Amino acid sequence: QSVLTQPPSVSAAPGQKVTISCSGSSSNIGNNYVSWYQQLPGTAPKLLIYDNNKRPSGIPDRFSGSKSGTSATLGITGLQTGDEADYYCGTWDSSLSANWVFGGGTKLTVL
Amino acid sequence: QVQLVQSGAEVKKPGASVKVSCKASGYTFTSYGISWVRQAPGQGLEWMGWISAYNGNTNYAQKLQGRVTMTTDTSTSTAYMELRSLRSDDTAVYYCARLEQGYGYWFDYWGQGTLVTVSS
Repeated sequence: QSVLTQPPSVSAAPGQKVTISCSGSSSNIGNNYVSWYQQLPGTAPKLLIYDNNKRPSGIPDRFSGSKSGTSATLGITGLQTGDEADYYCGTWDSSLSANWVFGGGTKLTVL
Repeated sequence: QVQLVQSGAEVKKPGASVKVSCKASGYTFTSYGISWVRQAPGQGLEWMGWISAYNGNTNYAQKLQGRVTMTTDTSTSTAYMELRSLRSDDTAVYYCARLEQGYGYWFDYWGQGTLVTVSS
């Protein structure tokens, strides 16, 4: 059971838009910044979004991030078959154990 | 360019220890922390802990306290993760990742992963 809750799977057609939610609490998302990672099959995770809504150089503006209260959202527009991957949110958790936490991951299928 | 290159796959028996290395290049090693993240087969990402390459300070995930040790060798820009008393559920791909900081924290570069298999 992950501290951050993501839907197990989402799907959409090529060219469409999809959003992936990440729900937490005041000890993590509510008071810390969120990052998002894309993991293509058989590869290491790759940074997509940091500080809630910033994109590293090289990440297309089809990818966007937002945060409101204790939830964060990753948006992907103009879906491509190459976007099929697992997506993870992550943030610092400021509770007593003071750990980094990831969401359980969301499998994106581009139909 | 920034690169994190990890050591090769390992097969260990239950109760043994494993030490995985992560050699960094393309940046000033002591200016960033290194985190270790593992992923069991078919499962999600699990944060294991963090080490400052500047001063060696560490912060381990509570569930691994007492079994994990993270170290760095600044002379070779290499980070190490040792896990002891291995169990079958430690079978996973282990990743090192560079920890960057802005308003928050994030992992901007990742190693290629090291598969550790624990089996009798």
